[in-house]
Amino acid sequence: LAKTTQPISMDSYEGQEVNITCSHNNIATNDYITWYQQFPSQGPRFIIQGYKTKVTNEVASLFIPADRKSSTLSLPRVSLSDTAVYYCLVVANRDDKIIFGKGTRLHILP
Amino acid sequence: DAGITQSPRYKITETGRQVTLMCHQTWSHSYMFWYRQDLGHGLRLIYYSAAADITDKGEVPDGYVVSRSKTENFPLTLESATRSQTSVYFCASSGGQPPLYEQYFGPGTRLTVT
Repeated sequence: LAKTTQPISMDSYEGQEVNITCSHNNIATNDYITWYQQFPSQGPRFIIQGYKTKVTNEVASLFIPADRKSSTLSLPRVSLSDTAVYYCLVVANRDDKIIFGKGTRLHILP
Repeated sequence: DAGITQSPRYKITETGRQVTLMCHQTWSHSYMFWYRQDLGHGLRLIYYSAAADITDKGEVPDGYVVSRSKTENFPLTLESATRSQTSVYFCASSGGQPPLYEQYFGPGTRLTVT
């Protein structure tokens, strides 16, 4: 399982766009990049998954450069309710389990 | 109700006691997982199961036992609870094939071992 590195914490303000970058230098050809969100006192929730270029859904966008050694989760116009821990994961094609790291603790300020 | 449930939601037990945490899902998902979450450690995988009667160790399996006789249930047993097992335990399930699957998490069980 490829290791990921992401900032321990970030602060931002309501209405701003927030970008959380994740490094995964040893990502393999068959690996996918996956992000989860965890609110306090709740289990994590899948946000988005991608392989290359850009993926967008109703919650976030995921940008993956051509070398795939990093990825950026973009949250548009955040609100206080986006305060959560965000986990970047690399999931291999063969894997039937995923390993969570410590994630990035995002704190949105009014 | 449909979804994934855990019971009990809160449990206090004494050192040395056996305790079982229950997990039930109604989606007939093939995969089920147990995680523990401690401050400063994030989520750590304890055990997982790819199907009924198939289980495998995760990162931190010592002191835990699992079984999966039915697809919908995945109980986690602490054979002899220790204080270091005080944690929040999350169960999750997944129905898709890797790597495009999502895991759906239960509400968690907060376990305190005194």
